[in-house]
Amino acid sequence: EAGVVQSPRYKIIEKKQPVAFWCNPISGHNTLYWYRQNLGQGPELLIRYENEEAVDDSQLPKDRFSAERLKGVDSTLKIQPAELGDSAVYLCASSPRGSAGTDTQYFGPGTRLTVL
Amino acid sequence: QKEVEQDPGPLSVPEGAIVSLNCTYSNSAFQYFMWYRQYSRKGPELLMYTYSSGNKEDGRFTAQVDKSSKYISLFIRDSQPSDSATYLCALRYSSASKIIFGSGTRLSIRP
Repeated sequence: EAGVVQSPRYKIIEKKQPVAFWCNPISGHNTLYWYRQNLGQGPELLIRYENEEAVDDSQLPKDRFSAERLKGVDSTLKIQPAELGDSAVYLCASSPRGSAGTDTQYFGPGTRLTVL
Repeated sequence: QKEVEQDPGPLSVPEGAIVSLNCTYSNSAFQYFMWYRQYSRKGPELLMYTYSSGNKEDGRFTAQVDKSSKYISLFIRDSQPSDSATYLCALRYSSASKIIFGSGTRLSIRP
């Protein structure tokens, strides 16, 4: 079974440029998460989707970040415009049901973003 | 004060040693306790999950939760070079709440 797929793996952009990250969760997983992991830190949740619905986006900086999950499968996270402080690894994860219970979250390898 | 505190290391031990990794937390309302392992350039993967105080063993790994002290531990017996990774503790207030991760401890097992 394929794991969570993310692309690109690496991205280098200049500040004020837009950038987008793509995630394909494990087949059949209804819940999708986007996390940001700064260097030397643990992941921090940005947004959680249950199917197509964003059920927790309280940590998403909405002035420059946006996300969508059309058709409840793939998801895209966008930053526009990027700032120097956005340099981090952006991780996508999925789980088979809602976050109730102890469903394991399966993480992708992440996209490492560098903003110059 | 951070919700979860974890020593960043790095921690370097010889192969075969027993490793002890620890986290402390500030809010007694945390109910679910997890340990994730993250290899370089990879996403975290769930190693151990426990609910409430006590011990849970899985092969060479033992997770321990002491709610009275707000302290959680992960022990690795007979450590192997392949155990070299960053270990993240992770906590949840409830089964439906978001995961709060520690900052991770970098572990290196010397052959």
